[in-house]
Amino acid sequence: GEDVEQSLFLSVREGDSSVINCTYTDSSSTYLYWYKQEPGAGLQLLTYIFSNMDMKQDQRLTVLLNKKDKHLSLRIADTQTGDSAIYFCAESGGYALNFGKGTSLLVTP
Amino acid sequence: DAGVIQSPRHEVTEMGQEVTLRCKPISGHNSLFWYRQTMMRGLELLIYFNNNVPIDDSGMPEDRFSAKMPNASFSTLKIQPSEPRDSAVYFCASSLAQGAEYGYTFGSGTRLTVV
Repeated sequence: GEDVEQSLFLSVREGDSSVINCTYTDSSSTYLYWYKQEPGAGLQLLTYIFSNMDMKQDQRLTVLLNKKDKHLSLRIADTQTGDSAIYFCAESGGYALNFGKGTSLLVTP
Repeated sequence: DAGVIQSPRHEVTEMGQEVTLRCKPISGHNSLFWYRQTMMRGLELLIYFNNNVPIDDSGMPEDRFSAKMPNASFSTLKIQPSEPRDSAVYFCASSLAQGAEYGYTFGSGTRLTVV
C-alpha cells in the first residue's frame, strides 16, 4: 500500500517547540491520529483530528491539518525531556489504521 | 480497565519452534488487530478481527502465521515453524468499531527473538 511519510529524527532543546510533520495518502480518511511510543511500550494515542477541522489544540499539543496537501503536523509547546519518544502519524482510510514509520524526538537539556 | 494485555512480554526461541502470542482486548471492544513492528518496515497490520471473525488477513506474511479469536476476550497469533526473520515486536490492539475518534488501544507488545 501507499506510505504515510514522516521524517525519521528530530532533535530539540528543552523548552523549545517541536514540530513533527506527516504526509498522508488517503484523502477519504475520516480521522487522523498522533500516537506516542516510549521505549519498551506500546503506542499511546496522543490526539486526533477530524478531517473537517483545520486545527485542534489540546494543552501543549497543536495539530494542524492541510487537506489540500494531505499534510498533518503536531506541535509540542515547551518541549520537555519526558517528551522524548517516537511519534507516529496514522490515517484511517478504512477499518484499519495506516501508520507512518515514526519520528524519533530527542529532547536535550 | 487494565487495558490490552499481551503475553509473554519477551520470547526467545530457536528457529523451527512453534511460538504462540496471546492477547486479551479491552472488554467491550469488538475490533482486534495484530501488528508487527520492525525497524525496516515500521508497523505492519497482520490481521483484523471484528466480532471475533477474521475480516482481513492479507497482511499475514505466509502460511507459517495463523491467528484465532475463539471468544471476545482472547486472541492468539501462532508462528509455526518460526524463523529468524520473524524477530520483531508484535502488538495487539483493540477498538470500538464505532469509536474511530478514539483510535486503537495498544498492548505493550511481545518482543520475539528467533535464534
